[in-house]
Amino acid sequence: EAQVTQNPRYLITVTGKKLTVTCSQNMNHEYMSWYRQDPGLGLRQIYYSMNVEVTDKGDVPEGYKVSRKEKRNFPLILESPSPNQTSLYFCASKGGSSATGELFFGEGSRLTVL
Amino acid sequence: ILNVEQSPQSLHVQEGDSTNFTCSFPSSNFYALHWYRWETAKSPEALFVMTLNGDEKKKGRISATLNTKEGYSYLYIKGSQPEDSATYLCAFMGPTDSWGKLQFGAGTQVVVTP
Repeated sequence: EAQVTQNPRYLITVTGKKLTVTCSQNMNHEYMSWYRQDPGLGLRQIYYSMNVEVTDKGDVPEGYKVSRKEKRNFPLILESPSPNQTSLYFCASKGGSSATGELFFGEGSRLTVL
Repeated sequence: ILNVEQSPQSLHVQEGDSTNFTCSFPSSNFYALHWYRWETAKSPEALFVMTLNGDEKKKGRISATLNTKEGYSYLYIKGSQPEDSATYLCAFMGPTDSWGKLQFGAGTQVVVTP
């Protein structure tokens, strides 16, 4: 089954404790992206990757890091989480003609930073 | 800055009624517009990717139109059913950005009551 898998789905952590949210897709997509969703603000793009070893900042990259060492995985790293990073995070991928291909989303990871 | 605006923010529809709502985006530098359907506790799923002015797309009882010259898209739901209850998101892609970036609106939440 074609899917984007995120882990963990739910996490409560404390300020400053490094964490990684993993994202993996099995569709051989070149493009992957991370979004955060906050009430009233829609989905805001954090980072995206057009291909292996190519990453770019989205609209809200501060406080996050990413890496793309292999095509299927695109982890999101919070080196020193803060309460304003409490949010619902989505990973997504797209393939085909990536300029107009549709996004396939993971199930979301709800993160709470105390 | 949210350049993509969706209205209304929410609407309630009686089962069987038809409804429509709007996504407004910058009319200059248009490349593509995406529509996604997001049910509670699930991940967003693609409805349409639209690229041409005047484009009309249809999937079952849901259809969308696109006017790139004036910068808006309408999503229509004909004969609403309770299973149509969801948040509908649009996302704009402009070529002045890297086409890796999509800017999402805040969504229109649709509640269909029996």
